[in-house]
Amino acid sequence: RKEVEQDPGPFNVPEGATVAFNCTYSNSASQSFFWYRQDCRKEPKLLMSVYSSGNEDGRFTAQLNRASQYISLLIRDSKLSDSATYLCVVNEDNYQLIWGAGTKLIIKP
Amino acid sequence: DAGVTQSPTHLIKTRGQQVTLRCSPKSGHDTVSWYQQALGQGPQFIFQYYEEEERQRGNFPDRFSGHQFPNYSSELNVNALLLGDSALYLCASSSTQAPYEQYFGPGTRLTVT
Repeated sequence: RKEVEQDPGPFNVPEGATVAFNCTYSNSASQSFFWYRQDCRKEPKLLMSVYSSGNEDGRFTAQLNRASQYISLLIRDSKLSDSATYLCVVNEDNYQLIWGAGTKLIIKP
Repeated sequence: DAGVTQSPTHLIKTRGQQVTLRCSPKSGHDTVSWYQQALGQGPQFIFQYYEEEERQRGNFPDRFSGHQFPNYSSELNVNALLLGDSALYLCASSSTQAPYEQYFGPGTRLTVT
């Protein structure tokens, strides 16, 4: 079983719609959680950290469910520029980040 | 304020050769992590350098080695290249104040033929 699992997609979503995807992690001792965004053939960029109380940044909302060991990302009023791969990242009790393979999102006009 | 820089951007090598990739961290950052990203996969952690020492290592063979210099810049060396080493190599920098908020360079795309 992979340590961090994501639905690879692609999620094809019309512009203006709301889209959500989850990421599950296997280590219950995981302490920190992040969402990164990666455009095609570019480097990953930090989108947001995920706190126990949830985190909202404009149209983006991230939630953590420790009991079920998953984190989610919700994007409201999606824009064409939101098209990218979204990577879920988990940190355990060390300096190493464990990365999911990413969920590809395509926003259509 | 310069972000993370990497060189070269692209590289083509043949099997058995050796390669050195370079990274300069974002200003104010003292920690450098290296990742390998194959097409369609998430980044795989190679190792992390802090205070000129390897602080943590992922599941990569000894053919992968690194170094950090006093100015916090870093090098990744790969010996005896294999076809499977073809990938995008990413360098990420962070600070001790926010160790998990990593900022990535544009990467070096290595092709082994």
